[in-house]
This record gives sequence, structure tokens and C-alpha cells, in this order.
Amino acid sequence: GQQLNQSPQSMFIQEGEDVSMNCTSSSIFNTWLWYKQDPGEGPVLLIALYKAGELTSNGRLTAQFGITRKDSFLNISASIPSDVGIYFCARCESNFGNEKLTFGTGTRLTIIP
Amino acid sequence: NAGVTQTPKFRVLKTGQSMTLLCAQDMNHEYMYWYRQDPGMGLRLIHYSVGEGTTAKGEVPDGYNVSRLKKQNFLLGLESAAPSQTSVYFCASSHQRNQPQHFGDGTRLSIL
Repeated sequence: GQQLNQSPQSMFIQEGEDVSMNCTSSSIFNTWLWYKQDPGEGPVLLIALYKAGELTSNGRLTAQFGITRKDSFLNISASIPSDVGIYFCARCESNFGNEKLTFGTGTRLTIIP
Repeated sequence: NAGVTQTPKFRVLKTGQSMTLLCAQDMNHEYMYWYRQDPGMGLRLIHYSVGEGTTAKGEVPDGYNVSRLKKQNFLLGLESAAPSQTSVYFCASSHQRNQPQHFGDGTRLSIL
């Protein structure tokens, strides 16, 4: 199947630092989604991107859909303790009207006190 | 606001036992999904449904069955549990195609 490569796999940062992570695909597609998962909970949608080149913000989070439609990045500015968690990119694949979501392997964010 | 509710939250089974996981959503969503999440991996789609009475296979369907008798419920069944099915299972729903999915909090299943 199609692969999503997410990097880095893990990040250790200090509170207040900015964070950047990205996701690349071997093929083009029409929708990028970024989710965050806290321990013991399900993924929660952060940002959805629907157009190539689209840049969308949600508070301190900013995500962009690459022009080539094969990549996306997520930035977090001025990180705070509650940003800790696993961030997943996902692509939305529609086939004959059926929607399927493929997830990246995740970026685990840890904030060092 | 309940959203997507999964029951049970935890379960330990012996190899060969059967089990049904329940997912309920109160958002009147058409689409529902079952995923499994294993360490170091993203979520993988097991089965999904595009409406009441319909189901389809996802990426890793073997060993699982599903049913969508009511629009708000999506059941995942393990007929004969195997240790390889030890995982965290997530249910999700969405209103339409290309709409983001909303997830439940997961069911942690251990098979001994």
C-alpha cells in the first residue's frame, strides 16, 4: 500500500521552543490531516488541509499542504507542557465514494523540564 | 457531548475466546471505522462502514468481523482471539467522505 513517512520519530525539546515535523508520501493525494494523541486517548484532529499550497493555523499550530501534494509540515510555536503527545499525519483516500484514512507512524513529542 | 464511545475500555482474553467490541456515535455520522494501533506504528484500518447495513474490509481485516445493524453502532468481533490481536482498538466516525474522522478513546485488548 501507499506509505506515509513521518519525521522525526521523536523529539525532545525544552518548553518555549518551536517544533517542526513533516510527512511525505510516495504519491499525490487531496487531503492532509494532522492529529494529536494523548496517552490513553484517541487521536484528536488538529488541522485539516484540502488544497495544495494551503497554509492553515490553529492557535500556536500551523500546517501546510505542499505544492507537490506529496508532503505536509506541522509547526508548533512556543511549546508548552500540554503539547506533549504523539502527532500523526494522515492522508485521506477516497475510492469509489469510500473514504479511507492512512496514518503516518507518528512523532512523539517530549518536553524536557 | 459523548461523540464516539467505545466499550469496554480494557479486556484480557485467553487465546481462542471470542469477544465483541462496541462503538457508538451520537453525531448521526454515516461513516464508521475500526482501527488497531500497535507500538511504533500508526493506526491501521481493520474494517469500515459507509452506512447502515454496509461493511467493507480495510488494510488488516483477517481475524475480525464487523456489523452495522444500526447507524449509530459499529461492532467489531473476534471469533477466536489470538495473541497477535493484542492491541489498542480505536473506533472513528465521520459525517461524509473527505470529512475528518472523530475518534473514541480506545479499547485496550490483551490476549494471553
